Amino acid sequence: AQSVAQPEDQVNVAEGNPLTVKCTYSVSGNPYLFWYVQYPNRGLQFLLKYITGDNLVKGSYGFEAEFNKSQTSFHLKKPSALVSDSALYFCAVRSSGGSYIPTFGRGTSLIVHP
Amino acid sequence: KAGVTQTPRYLIKTRGQQVTLSCSPISGHRSVSWYQQTPGQGLQFLFEYFSETQRNKGNFPGRFSGRQFSNSRSEMNVSTLELGDSALYLCASSFGASGLSTDTQYFGPGTRLTVL
Repeated sequence: AQSVAQPEDQVNVAEGNPLTVKCTYSVSGNPYLFWYVQYPNRGLQFLLKYITGDNLVKGSYGFEAEFNKSQTSFHLKKPSALVSDSALYFCAVRSSGGSYIPTFGRGTSLIVHP
Repeated sequence: KAGVTQTPRYLIKTRGQQVTLSCSPISGHRSVSWYQQTPGQGLQFLFEYFSETQRNKGNFPGRFSGRQFSNSRSEMNVSTLELGDSALYLCASSFGASGLSTDTQYFGPGTRLTVL
């Protein structure tokens, strides 16, 4: 069975500082990894995905994520946080084998302080 | 290009009633998936439709059903509502058929269902 863990329910960071939101996964076959962001009373917005190739993936709004196969991780990063980045972030995994259905993490609330 | 739209945005129902939610995918997208989001359970997959056929189904009771029309629009129905059905119901569309795990899903704003 595939699974996603987002070990931190909440991440606090000061505006202008770098941020990291952690995600680890377990899947059979090759992992396809996604990050989404959810603002209050809104649906999920796609940020970026890793399918194959370069381990560093760049996405929307200055976010990037690094795929680490040995550590089965796909952490989301941004060099300089903005207050407007405050939101709920979800990591998701799908597999090249097994179930097509994506599995989402429980979400991490990012709070950027002015 | 317009995004995924869901109607209505908010619904209040009482136990025992039934409800129908609607989702219009992004133009050209043929796959529609439904999710239930609750604070306790997070995001849980309900089902996925492609070309009017249900391709995948999550672990939900038969009270939850859906369908897809020839224009790719989808509806989800919940019968005999229970208090625990209160949730944000999200619809997501993608271009390809199920099995294309590399496809990105694009989500609508959701329908907030409250069961009293």
